[in-house]
Amino acid sequence: AQKVTQAQTEISVVEKEDVTLDCVYETRDTTYYLFWYKQPPSGELVFLIRRNSFDEQNEISGRYSWNFQKSTSSFNFTITASQVVDSAVYFCALSEDNQAGTALIFGKGTTLSVSS
Amino acid sequence: GAGVSQSPSNKVTEKGKDVELRCDPISGHTALYWYRQSLGQGLEFLIYFQGNSAPDKSGLPSDRFSAERTGGSVSTLTIQRTQQEDSAVYLCASSSGTVGVEQYFGPGTRLTVT
Repeated sequence: AQKVTQAQTEISVVEKEDVTLDCVYETRDTTYYLFWYKQPPSGELVFLIRRNSFDEQNEISGRYSWNFQKSTSSFNFTITASQVVDSAVYFCALSEDNQAGTALIFGKGTTLSVSS
Repeated sequence: GAGVSQSPSNKVTEKGKDVELRCDPISGHTALYWYRQSLGQGLEFLIYFQGNSAPDKSGLPSDRFSAERTGGSVSTLTIQRTQQEDSAVYLCASSSGTVGVEQYFGPGTRLTVT
């Protein structure tokens, strides 16, 4: 069965600290897709990144970076030099290639609080 | 361009009443999804549309829940005889395809059943 685990429920950091949000997934498929979404206090889910199972290259976008490791079934997200505006709930999600519509299976989310 | 829109943004209803929630996807997006977000259950998939058809209704929690999509665009989620456990934020998302494509979410409808 497919599952996404975000073991960190809440993380608090001070501005300019680096922070890593963990995501571990379970799937029996060889083709699957991983996503990260951000949900700021306003409530709307914002898409951050998509990765397919055949692309293990790490990705960097500004202060954000993602580390995908199939060997450990992890897709971790690092924010460098965190800012107050990064405060939000972050969700990791999985979709599989064999499922009609490839609905997203979400983790429970990690609440990140960045203080000034 | 315009994102996914949902209405109403908030809905308070009495237990036993029916409610309709509306979703207007991004223009041109063929796939449309409904999810529910609640404190206890997190984000749950409800139903998916490809065009006007719904090949996957596996996430609907009971037969009180139904959804339709017309003209390959607007979708309505209907909850009949609402119960207090239906209180949640109902999120709609759309995407340009199905396999492995990112979904774009609307702001949600917060449903409170009293």
